[in-house]
Amino acid sequence: DIVMTQSPLSLPVSPGEPASISCRSSQSLLHDNGFKYVDWYLQKPGQSPQLLIYLGSNRASGVPDRFTGSASGTDFTLKISSVEPEDVGVYYCMQVLQTPQTFGQGTKVEI
Amino acid sequence: QLQLQESGSGLVKPSQTLSVTCAVSGASISSGDYSWYWIRQPPGKGLEWIGYISQSGSTYSKPSLKRRVTISVDRSRNQFSLKLSSVTAADTAVYFCARGGKTQLWFGLDVWGKGTTVTVSS
Repeated sequence: DIVMTQSPLSLPVSPGEPASISCRSSQSLLHDNGFKYVDWYLQKPGQSPQLLIYLGSNRASGVPDRFTGSASGTDFTLKISSVEPEDVGVYYCMQVLQTPQTFGQGTKVEI
Repeated sequence: QLQLQESGSGLVKPSQTLSVTCAVSGASISSGDYSWYWIRQPPGKGLEWIGYISQSGSTYSKPSLKRRVTISVDRSRNQFSLKLSSVTAADTAVYFCARGGKTQLWFGLDVWGKGTTVTVSS
């Protein structure tokens, strides 16, 4: 199975400040089509997860442009350019290249 | 607008079968090239991929659960289902359904249900 390792697991942030979450995969997530098959999800308190980024760097519909996904080799990063109070919750990376598809452990972002 | 709504067993006794259904509204489950997912979250823990069923009806599930998992689609009722047999307390979780694409046209798990809690206890 592909292991997704997130860091940090807890991230205190201040409104208006930038934030960054890392995710490392145990294998390449590069598909033959040239895309990297990793998504990012945010689970706000008491809610179901919501899609932020798909295929490494594509922002989902309706997601603010302060969220950016990037990739370098097997390292993936989600950046928030300026944290808003509504960004609190647990962020998960997920690899969708191979089954079983797997999630990272989650990073709890709190203000 | 597509919406997903889970409904489930609620309370299941150990060794019995857990059953959760995801009702799809706002679109036909047979339209488009989508895959239909099951993901769960034990209390206080992270997300765990269970499996999915593709538009063609092929199913994929987590190897450690594979022997116990059945994922199916009922196109006449516009819903898909998860059955998990021989449950133990470790299967206690919130069960989410979600929609995904197919590998070559992946767009993420873009629609999720609100989740349904299933507790395994005698």
